[in-house]
Amino acid sequence: DIQLTQSPSFLSASVGDRVTITCRASQGISSYVAWYQQKPGKAPKLLIYAASTLQSGVPSRFSGSGSGTEFTLTIGSLQPEDFATYYCQQLKSYPLTFGGGTKVEIK
Amino acid sequence: QVQLQESGPGLVKPSETLSLTCTVSGYSISSGYYWGWIRQPPGKGLEWIGNIYQSVSTYYNPSLKSRVTISVDTSKNQFSLRLSSVTAADTAAYYCASYDPTGYYVDYWGQGTLVTVSS
Repeated sequence: DIQLTQSPSFLSASVGDRVTITCRASQGISSYVAWYQQKPGKAPKLLIYAASTLQSGVPSRFSGSGSGTEFTLTIGSLQPEDFATYYCQQLKSYPLTFGGGTKVEIK
Repeated sequence: QVQLQESGPGLVKPSETLSLTCTVSGYSISSGYYWGWIRQPPGKGLEWIGNIYQSVSTYYNPSLKSRVTISVDTSKNQFSLRLSSVTAADTAAYYCASYDPTGYYVDYWGQGTLVTVSS
């Protein structure tokens, strides 16, 4: 199975900050990574797919990069509505797996 | 716009079988693509349960494989999850999901349904 390690697991930041979340895979997964945002009590929402493609309707302050084993999600300027938990998912091979999540809280 | 809605009991007794259904609207499930289930224990992260492709091919999480069945009912435009011999560790919010045609991301999610395993 491909393990995904997200870091940090918790992040405290202020509105306007630039935030970067890392997802490391235990083996190469090309660009088969998606990033999701989840708010309490809600289903996750797709932000980025194929490592760097922004889903339609997602603000351009979100961006993704990486390939192989290391991937990043960047929020260019953190907005109040961005405080949430973020997950990466690999879809290169079964079983599909998720990272452990990164909770972004207000400093 | 595809919409997914989970339904099923919110309380299941230990050792019994958890059964959930996902009703799909806005798209014909018989047209193909990947459909699946993901769960999230309270306060924890996301766990992939399994997928079904073209109503025929199934893929399951090895940690659950012996207890899981995912199936499709094209006549009702629904797909279902059955998880047998449940324990308290199976208490979670269960989400049904649809994947893009390539299977490379989840583009639509149900709202989720909390299933509690307790006597």
